Amino acid sequence: GESVGLHLPTLSVQEGDNSIINCAYSNSASDYFIWYKQESGKGPQFIIDIRSNMDKRQGQRVTVLLNKTVKHLSLQIAATQPGDSAVYFCAETRLYGNNRLAFGKGNQVVVIP
Amino acid sequence: KAGVTQTPRYLIKTRGQQVTLSCSPISGHRSVSWYQQTPGQGLQFLFEYFSETQRNKGNFPGRFSGRQFSNSRSEMNVSTLELGDSALYLCASSGGPSSYEQYFGPGTRLTVT
Repeated sequence: GESVGLHLPTLSVQEGDNSIINCAYSNSASDYFIWYKQESGKGPQFIIDIRSNMDKRQGQRVTVLLNKTVKHLSLQIAATQPGDSAVYFCAETRLYGNNRLAFGKGNQVVVIP
Repeated sequence: KAGVTQTPRYLIKTRGQQVTLSCSPISGHRSVSWYQQTPGQGLQFLFEYFSETQRNKGNFPGRFSGRQFSNSRSEMNVSTLELGDSALYLCASSGGPSSYEQYFGPGTRLTVT
């Protein structure tokens, strides 16, 4: 499969436990944030997004938290499953009139069965 | 609904050659963005096209160019290839002119020897 990154921060988590992945973003003008999951040999897959007028958003087994004060984003995965093993990227952008995403470096999640 | 398709999936070229990569967006999507992914630099924005017009361009040399056709399909071209151009090239499509759920293709793995 594709190697999506070397020397990425790695989170090893036991199957069934919760995972928390953190991301610091750089542009205080960014108002839209997205988490992507990338499995080996595939392109990034949209997981969940959040706009800057929110500080929390929940999806199916995932929650994104946004702290604009310290420019920090986190992704929480509940009851982590082997299929959650992947590289996770946060991305930031300005929402209107702009499709340009700035990606973080990525975090490798390894789920231990 | 078919996803984003990219051709070819793998490509090997020699330094100095040029290459053209193709991306077919999700049916009905009018925005196509291109990204370069390398282990060292991560995911970096190349350019974005909307309705056949380039709207945004990243910090890449002029050897990287692209275009979009009336059916929203897009091509990117890299001329005078360098070893450092070896990367996974990803395209993403979006339904509208603003960042909202960009969907990525599987990428084209380009190796320059």
